[in-house]
Amino acid sequence: AQKITQTQPGMFVQEKEAVTLDCTYDTSDQSYGLFWYKQPSSGEMIFLIYQGSYDEQNATEGRYSLNFQKARKSANLVISASQLGDSAMYFCAMRERTSGGSNYKLTFGKGTLLTVNP
Amino acid sequence: DGGITQSPKYLFRKEGQNVTLSCEQNLNHDAMYWYRQDPGQGLRLIYYSQIVNDFQKGDIAEGYSVSREKKESFPLTVTSAQKNPTAFYLCASNRGFSEETQYFGPGTRLLVL
Repeated sequence: AQKITQTQPGMFVQEKEAVTLDCTYDTSDQSYGLFWYKQPSSGEMIFLIYQGSYDEQNATEGRYSLNFQKARKSANLVISASQLGDSAMYFCAMRERTSGGSNYKLTFGKGTLLTVNP
Repeated sequence: DGGITQSPKYLFRKEGQNVTLSCEQNLNHDAMYWYRQDPGQGLRLIYYSQIVNDFQKGDIAEGYSVSREKKESFPLTVTSAQKNPTAFYLCASNRGFSEETQYFGPGTRLLVL
């Protein structure tokens, strides 16, 4: 079963507008972490923002904010004032325990391709 | 500057050949990871290592091998047993249990001739 679901294969937004990228997750752990990464065409994965399951406040990092709704198991990324350089793939990921239970790994969604139009 | 380096940027493999992808970090991180990315897909974990001289299989370890003889280095060998090796390979690291976020290198693109 898919642990991280990103339902939007592609999104378009006008420059300077805000956009929301959706992410839902599935876990039975009480303690977990949620991440968003940006992957431009060069391929490198760039860390954007992190939300811990016990954090009561939504995480924010500059123009990025994470809309964390724990009961709905959603962790949507909001990008405000979009810029042309925001055009990239965006991946949602969740920290979860490995099969042996003694370590942690990241599980990634399939990503959303964001295109910012001038 | 601290960071993670991967080499080569592009790698070509002939049928039946083993190839090794390099990953080096100077961040003093304990934990290192290898991921595979196929077109239009997310990342899948191949192997990971929490400390030197120890490593664990991830979700898709078959056809791959690793070593962790030094803290800074975590090379990945794609063996001839990996029948579909064409993919983008990403290395990552973090401080381990004390840190959540993984930081990634620039990646190696492997192509089969």
